[in-house]
Amino acid sequence: QSVLTQPPSVSGAPGQRVTISCTGSRSNIGANSDVHWYQHLPGTAPKLLIYGDSNRSSGVPDRFSGSKSGTSASLAITGLQTEDEADYYCQSYDTNLSASIFGGGTKLTVL
Amino acid sequence: EVQLVESGGGLVQPGGSRRLSCAASGITFSIYAMAWARQAPGKGLEWVSGISTGGDNTYYADTVRGRFTISRDNSKNTLYLQMNSLRVEDTAIYYCAKVWWGTAAAGSLDYWGQGTLVTVSS
Repeated sequence: QSVLTQPPSVSGAPGQRVTISCTGSRSNIGANSDVHWYQHLPGTAPKLLIYGDSNRSSGVPDRFSGSKSGTSASLAITGLQTEDEADYYCQSYDTNLSASIFGGGTKLTVL
Repeated sequence: EVQLVESGGGLVQPGGSRRLSCAASGITFSIYAMAWARQAPGKGLEWVSGISTGGDNTYYADTVRGRFTISRDNSKNTLYLQMNSLRVEDTAIYYCAKVWWGTAAAGSLDYWGQGTLVTVSS
């Protein structure tokens, strides 16, 4: 079980908006550690989407946005497209572990 | 164009050792912290280790601390991961990645290699 908890799956129709949550604790997100988000398609290298809680990485469309509050963070995707179907991971630093951790991942299905 | 190319994967017996390499090009390697992450079959991503620009500071996940050693040779633009006392549960695709926005332990990873598969099995 990951220290950062994500829903195993989310789904939405093309054009809709979905959010993926990442729930941590006072030793990671709640300690104001930065949260980063990645998109991962099987057989490819993961792609950085959001860094430092809410900054979009170069070339990432503004349909993707990140936010953080308390011990949780969220990734929102608006105007869903079929190519958004992938696995999504959050990452943050844990002060107790003195290391980064990834969430368990969320599989996004575009219906 | 930034390229990170891992090598050194393969089949190794439990208890054995393996050294992974990651050759970087298209970046000024010495000014960036670097990291390793992995993905076991059917599992999610796992952060493994990070190293500062000069190699002075290293960080490890609890699952590999004491068995794995991260290092770098800035004169060769190469990152390494020495893996000892390998276990079946270390079987995974190992990715090297460049750190962006933050420290070697906490930073985001903006460029990733394609990965190299390490299989630990008898």
